[in-house]
Amino acid sequence: QQQVKQSPQSLIVQKGGISIINCAYENTAFDYFPWYQQFPGKGPALLIAIRPDVSEKKEGRFTISFNKSAKQFSLHIMDSQPGDSATYFCAPRDSWGKLQFGAGTQVVVTP
Amino acid sequence: EAQVTQNPRYLITVTGKKLTVTCSQNMNHEYMSWYRQDPGLGLRQIYYSMNVEVTDKGDVPEGYKVSRKEKRNFPLILESPSPNQTSLYFCASSIRASGSYNEQFFGPGTRLTVL
Repeated sequence: QQQVKQSPQSLIVQKGGISIINCAYENTAFDYFPWYQQFPGKGPALLIAIRPDVSEKKEGRFTISFNKSAKQFSLHIMDSQPGDSATYFCAPRDSWGKLQFGAGTQVVVTP
Repeated sequence: EAQVTQNPRYLITVTGKKLTVTCSQNMNHEYMSWYRQDPGLGLRQIYYSMNVEVTDKGDVPEGYKVSRKEKRNFPLILESPSPNQTSLYFCASSIRASGSYNEQFFGPGTRLTVL
């Protein structure tokens, strides 16, 4: 069963625009909600993460919004730059350390 | 430099020929894990290890084996590879399995093709 649903599959945004990626989950036992960024030919790297007792976290141009009751969290990329072009994964974690990855969102930022 | 290394990075093999993909981390992490990445499916966990001599199945363990004899190494073994194991494989490690902001660090990946 698909425990984590990520949308959209892909998005194209102009430089300076806002990218928004959404993630819906089913497992209420997840205890940590990270977003990973992956460039072609590289492994995923942690971008930003949030605990379930916090509703929003901002790091530079990246913000996570977390809605525990709706079992959803989202990534907002403000002032998108061409260097942000990558694949983004939500990957909520269970208490056994397993990251449950979404299918990924390919983001392309046009100059 | 703190890192997770994998070898080989690329491998083409034939059905049934046993192979091992090595994974090593230099951060003294207790937790290590293997994932496979397939288009449209994200990454799925194959096996994980909480510490030395402690391993357990993830979501897609069929056809794979692992061992954790030393803290730094966590090899992935395919005893009899089949074409459906053609995939991109990632090893990851973290200080512990859980805990706030306990980041998992990923290796560079191993692209495996089974003919």
